[in-house]
Amino acid sequence: GQQLNQSPQSMFIQEGEDVSMNCTSSSIFNTWLWYKQDPGEGPVLLIALYKAGELTSNGRLTAQFGITRKDSFLNISASIPSDVGIYFCAGQRETSGSRLTFGEGTQLTVNP
Amino acid sequence: GAVVSQHPSWVICKSGTSVKIECRSLDFQATTMFWYRQFPKQSLMLMATSNEGSKATYEQGVEKDKFLINHASLTLSTLTVTSAHPEDSSFYICSALRTSGRKYGKNIQYFGAGTRLSVL
Repeated sequence: GQQLNQSPQSMFIQEGEDVSMNCTSSSIFNTWLWYKQDPGEGPVLLIALYKAGELTSNGRLTAQFGITRKDSFLNISASIPSDVGIYFCAGQRETSGSRLTFGEGTQLTVNP
Repeated sequence: GAVVSQHPSWVICKSGTSVKIECRSLDFQATTMFWYRQFPKQSLMLMATSNEGSKATYEQGVEKDKFLINHASLTLSTLTVTSAHPEDSSFYICSALRTSGRKYGKNIQYFGAGTRLSVL
């Protein structure tokens, strides 16, 4: 099915560095979500965004809903080893019956 | 928080047997649940939408007779992989939709921990 364009595909950073990843789409979404998936586990919701321009934080994580409603970014500040995992963006449309369109994921590796 | 329990977490079965996977929403009711399949290093692929009290809606290319879905209560959906074969080996993940009570907006999917299926 349709997927969002998520970048970068992977990141290798040092502990303490800041991280930024984003998702773009050719069409509009009404809700943007960011999930994190650890190996062998299901995705865990990090941040949900409901309005264009909305900027929301969850601890060291900050995400924004793009003004055009076609993009979103996630920032992680002062990364720590437990930030390792795969981060997925997901978009939801009002007309989709709450179905999600997922990005391809960003694999984050944090070197201590 | 919203807790979704998925069981079993890992199952090995012989080719030709059937396997049932359960998905439960523990602290909220979910009229809608979703079943996904995930291949290594790939994103989640939606297989079907499970609706309480009615038939599931399958995505294009997903065999409904192969992947039987039952959503008999507001807190439980099951996926049965019938006559499993090695190509059915995969990571299966369910999610439950927690609704805000409004027609649109703030309806969030919460995911189970996944089930690793290995068919020998």
